[in-house]
Amino acid sequence: NAGVMQNPRHLVRRRGQEARLRCSPMKGHSHVYWYRQLPEEGLKFMVYLQKENIIDESGMPKERFSAEFPKEGPSILRIQQVVRGDSAAYFCASSPLHLTSANTGELFFGEGSRLTVL
Amino acid sequence: EDKVVQSPLSLVVHEGDTVTLNCSYEVTNFRSLLWYKQEKKAPTFLFMLTSSGIEKKSGRLSSILDKKELSSILNITATQTGDSAIYLCAVEAAFNNAGNMLTFGGGTRLMVKP
Repeated sequence: NAGVMQNPRHLVRRRGQEARLRCSPMKGHSHVYWYRQLPEEGLKFMVYLQKENIIDESGMPKERFSAEFPKEGPSILRIQQVVRGDSAAYFCASSPLHLTSANTGELFFGEGSRLTVL
Repeated sequence: EDKVVQSPLSLVVHEGDTVTLNCSYEVTNFRSLLWYKQEKKAPTFLFMLTSSGIEKKSGRLSSILDKKELSSILNITATQTGDSAIYLCAVEAAFNNAGNMLTFGGGTRLMVKP
């Protein structure tokens, strides 16, 4: 049973280019969360998605950033016109369908995608 | 806005020392508190705490939650160099009926010297 898969693991972009990060959740998981980790900092929540729905995007910058989780295929975090400040590790995590008291609260993390903007 | 604060920010100890990492939180609709260890790759799950005063233990690591003080501690005894990592505290809160949300603290960076 594969874990959360993220790709690419490393991505280098020049300022102004687009970055696309992909996340395939664990089998059977329909909740996906994206976090950003800047050097020397903890994980900052960006966006929470279920299949075909954005549930909460309060942690995502209003411009240049977008996320989707289509019915088929991985979740994608898209950053347009990247700037140097976007350089960070982007982690995806998934959890199973929430079942009220049965939910353990544990998220399963991917190994992250490290974006470097030159 | 939910808030999780960890202290200290960083810590350097020698092998064999005992360390205590702190996590305090302010959240609405608290469900649980979780500890993760992050080395070079993905954060890995350590503990989930839901009830006050009940210690969870795994080898040299243990953790306890104090809901009255809105805090938790993570203890590591007889530290080893392999314990060097960032330790992340996260608090899970109910988010409507759609699922739970995690808010992470900034982490404590632990370095264990031989």
